[in-house]
Amino acid sequence: AQSVTQLDSQVPVFEEAPVELRCNYSSSVSVYLFWYVQYPNQGLQLLLKYLSGSTLVKGINGFEAEFNKSQTSFHLRKPSVHISDTAEYFCAVKGDYKLSFGAGTTVTVRA
Amino acid sequence: KAGVTQTPRYLIKTRGQQVTLSCSPISGHRSVSWYQQTPGQGLQFLFEYFSETQRNKGNFPGRFSGRQFSNSRSEMNVSTLELGDSALYLCASSLAISYTDTQYFGPGTRLTVL
Repeated sequence: AQSVTQLDSQVPVFEEAPVELRCNYSSSVSVYLFWYVQYPNQGLQLLLKYLSGSTLVKGINGFEAEFNKSQTSFHLRKPSVHISDTAEYFCAVKGDYKLSFGAGTTVTVRA
Repeated sequence: KAGVTQTPRYLIKTRGQQVTLSCSPISGHRSVSWYQQTPGQGLQFLFEYFSETQRNKGNFPGRFSGRQFSNSRSEMNVSTLELGDSALYLCASSLAISYTDTQYFGPGTRLTVL
């Protein structure tokens, strides 16, 4: 079994400032890690994923994440946010057949 | 390539009724998974279908069921609706059921039970 903990439920940030969303996971088997974004009244959109290889993963819209096996973390970062990045972000782990999601982090970008 | 489509987008039902939700996967994708999203429980796995067979099931009562057709389209059914079934139901498709296959999500069906 696997589980995901997103350490921040809400992250307010000013436009053009950097943002980091923290995600820790636990699993007894090898895992594959994902970040999804959900805009209001929409489904989930894949931002990026880590399957293997380089621990620094680049995704869409300028986001990147770093896989740290020793700390069992997969933190998401963006160097400069825009108003349009206001959304809920979900970290997910897949160690068997299903995705297990964190509780989500709401990012609110202010001008 | 068209994404995952779900119909209807919104539904309002009353307690005791039943409901059927539909999901059309991305062309070429053969696996469909369903998730329930609520404010209290977050995103929870319901079940997964591949080649018209249910391969995995989450921890939900038997009132929740589903099926998959030969064209990979999937439906889920909830019988004897309860107030707690109000949720956003998300469908996700992937190429197959490999652990490395990425799941792509549809916009969801918002079910409200009165």
